[in-house]
Amino acid sequence: AQSVTQLDSQVPVFEEAPVELRCNYSSSVSVYLFWYVQYPNQGLQLLLKYLSGSTLVESINGFEAEFNKSQTSFHLRKPSVHISDTAEYFCAVSERAGGTSYGKLTFGQGTILTVHP
Amino acid sequence: EPEVTQTPSHQVTQMGQEVILRCVPISNHLYFYWYRQILGQKVEFLVSFYNNEISEKSEIFDDQFSVERPDGSNFTLKIRSTKLEDSAMYFCASRRGLAGGNIQYFGAGTRLSVL
Repeated sequence: AQSVTQLDSQVPVFEEAPVELRCNYSSSVSVYLFWYVQYPNQGLQLLLKYLSGSTLVESINGFEAEFNKSQTSFHLRKPSVHISDTAEYFCAVSERAGGTSYGKLTFGQGTILTVHP
Repeated sequence: EPEVTQTPSHQVTQMGQEVILRCVPISNHLYFYWYRQILGQKVEFLVSFYNNEISEKSEIFDDQFSVERPDGSNFTLKIRSTKLEDSAMYFCASRRGLAGGNIQYFGAGTRLSVL
């Protein structure tokens, strides 16, 4: 079984400031890692994913996340946030292909990022 | 861009009534999922569905719940006799296949309010 902990329920920042949203996971098997974003009144959108290869993954809108196996973390960062980044961010994990529970996503509690002008 | 579509966006029902939540997954996807999010809580896995049968279900997915793919496009979640605690946002998701990692695409959700 997997579990995901997002250490901050709310993160307020000012526009153009850097931000880090923390995510730690627990699993007895190898995993895939994901960040999803939920804008107000919308569904979950995939922001970025770690499947294999380089431990640093980037999104098209400037977010990046680094898979740290020893610390079992997948923190999300952005060097300079915009008002439009205001949303709720969810970290999620699943077993890698071939696992008995492959497919099921296990989510963290979510972090509400609020960007102030 | 193809997307997962869920209807209705908001469903209000009386306790004890049956509800059917509808989803149209992305057309060439083969794996289908339902998740729910009770207000203020985590998004929780309910059930996965592949090749016209349930692949995995959570403890939440008891005998009151059922899923069906009645035709080639729809994927439904039925709650037979709703309880107050079933009030939540229900998300449908779909995934193309085994290759390329477990990348799931989500619909906008159906907010179910049980009165």
